[in-house]
Amino acid sequence: DIQLTQSPSFLSASVGDRVTITCRASQVIRNDVAWYQQIPGKAPNLLIYGASTLQGGVPSRFSGSGSGTDFTLTISSLQPEDFATYYCQHFNNHLHSFGQGTRLEIK
Amino acid sequence: QVQLLQSGAEVKRPGSSVKVSCKVSGDTFRSQTIAWVRQAPGQGLEWMGRIVPIFDSAAYTPRFQARVTITADEGTNSVYLHLSSVTSEDTALYFCAKEAPRGYYDNWGQGTLVTVSS
Repeated sequence: DIQLTQSPSFLSASVGDRVTITCRASQVIRNDVAWYQQIPGKAPNLLIYGASTLQGGVPSRFSGSGSGTDFTLTISSLQPEDFATYYCQHFNNHLHSFGQGTRLEIK
Repeated sequence: QVQLLQSGAEVKRPGSSVKVSCKVSGDTFRSQTIAWVRQAPGQGLEWMGRIVPIFDSAAYTPRFQARVTITADEGTNSVYLHLSSVTSEDTALYFCAKEAPRGYYDNWGQGTLVTVSS
């Protein structure tokens, strides 16, 4: 199984801050990674796929990068609606998995 | 635009089984790959498995291999998740999700709460 490890698990930041979340895979997965935002009790919302391609309708303050085993999600200037939990997901083989999540809270 | 509509909340006794449905509309059912993801209270997302109706082929993460069956019914344009021998640890919100050709999930159901309690 491919394991994804996100860091940090918890992040406290202020509106306007730039934040970066990291996702590390247990083996090389090319750029077969997506990032999601989730509000409690709601379905996840796709932000980025293919490690760096922004899903339609997602604000440009979100960006992704990486390839191989190390990936990052960056929010350039936090807005109040961005305080949520973020997950990475791999689709490198037929058995997918998610990272454990990063909870982003207002400082 | 594909829409996924899941069945309603369930309450089950330990040791019983539960079946959750996901009705797919808005596009050709057979060509859609649908996955199931669950989220226990206060926990992260857990990928369970997926089915490709056109091939009638399902794959499961090893942790659920023995207890989960995912099926597809063209007559009802629905995908089903069957989970057997449930315990309190199976209490969770269960989501179905449509897989884009590349493998990420661009469309989700609203979630079905399954509560296991004696």
